[in-house]
Amino acid sequence: QQPVQSPQAVILREGEDAVINCSSSKALYSVHWYRQKHGEAPVFLMILLKGGEQKGHEKISASFNEKKQQSSLYLTASQLSYSGTYFCGTSDSGGGADGLTFGKGTHLIIQP
Amino acid sequence: DAGVTQSPTHLIKTRGQQVTLRCSPKSGHDTVSWYQQALGQGPQFIFQYYEEEERQRGNFPDRFSGHQFPNYSSELNVNALLLGDSALYLCASSLVWGADTQYFGPGTRLTVL
Repeated sequence: QQPVQSPQAVILREGEDAVINCSSSKALYSVHWYRQKHGEAPVFLMILLKGGEQKGHEKISASFNEKKQQSSLYLTASQLSYSGTYFCGTSDSGGGADGLTFGKGTHLIIQP
Repeated sequence: DAGVTQSPTHLIKTRGQQVTLRCSPKSGHDTVSWYQQALGQGPQFIFQYYEEEERQRGNFPDRFSGHQFPNYSSELNVNALLLGDSALYLCASSLVWGADTQYFGPGTRLTVL
């Protein structure tokens, strides 16, 4: 089943924070976050594995709540370059590089 | 280090025709996955190839077939094209062991008229 992302869209001013959520009705092994700009390929942001470890890179971090099968992506002090559509992709088996099931995406617009 | 490459960039076909799309994985990767992304939607998993065999398949009809070559590159073939096959076709490469990161190529935009 397709994970559910929320919100569908969000508009922020530069420097504001954003949280994007991804939830699944199935037990997950991993959650993968990507950002896609119009007309371009999805760009990998981070992967979270079963175990709930919070991963981060500079001003973008994420968490994975195993009990709730939910992941959240945190964008701190957003920059204009953060604009795009964010997708979470999920895998429910640890069989290695499985095909991912993606949500419908969250459109993020950062205004100056 | 070359990333994932795909060809062609764009393609226009008519209904009923057949199409072949190509993908070269990132250096060192042995697994190739194909996704279809309709306008305004997230990528949808078609199938995955490892060791020249189809390992996993999503909910796509048999009109969609693929191949992986000994150098790990891959082809996606679609027969009897339908208008609904118009989409961006993305190839992603990864390492088979572990829940590894999948890196996407730039995609092939297929338009079926």
